Amino acid sequence: AQSVAQPEDQVNVAEGNPLTVKCTYSVSGNPYLFWYVQYPNRGLQVLLKYITGDNLVKGSYGFEAEFNKSQTSFHLKKPSALVSDSALYFCAVRLPGSSASKIIFGSGTRLSIRP
Amino acid sequence: DAGVTQSPTHLIKTRGQQVTLRCSPKSGHDTVSWYQQALGQGPQFIFQYYEEEERQRGNFPDRFSGHQFPNYSSELNVNALLLGDSALYLCASSLGSNTGELFFGEGSRLTVL
Repeated sequence: AQSVAQPEDQVNVAEGNPLTVKCTYSVSGNPYLFWYVQYPNRGLQVLLKYITGDNLVKGSYGFEAEFNKSQTSFHLKKPSALVSDSALYFCAVRLPGSSASKIIFGSGTRLSIRP
Repeated sequence: DAGVTQSPTHLIKTRGQQVTLRCSPKSGHDTVSWYQQALGQGPQFIFQYYEEEERQRGNFPDRFSGHQFPNYSSELNVNALLLGDSALYLCASSLGSNTGELFFGEGSRLTVL
């Protein structure tokens, strides 16, 4: 079955330290990969996406993600965390040949940045 | 430029009742998709509407139905509500049914008692 796994329910990081939010996926073919962020009482916003090309993808707010095909991973990273980065983060995949709407989301990781 | 707007933001229903949620897509978008986000889980795809027709459907029962109007706005209807239908319902819009990035609304939080 196609799936996306985010093994950590919560990640706690001190402000100024680097952060990593992990994501692995299990799909056939070459999927499109996304990271979405959800702030309290807000809708989902896309942070970054991987379609093809360079394995290191840069996104909004200083975030980046590295696509690793052999490990089927797409971990989200940021060199220096800010308190304002605290939010719920979702990794997502779009299956090859599927519509833009049919995205499979992970269960989410709550990122908490302490001052 | 208005983004995706949803109404109502919150509502409470009892088991067995019916509910209608509404969505206006981002200006210029013609495709609307609906997702259910249960507490502590990621969003799950319900269905997609394009050219006033349901184009794709996720693994949801027939109690979940929808409609798209000529102005591209959409409604999600859920009949015979169950406790397990309590969730945040997200609407997303895009341009075209197969391409384009999704833009999400802030959601309608449904509580079934």
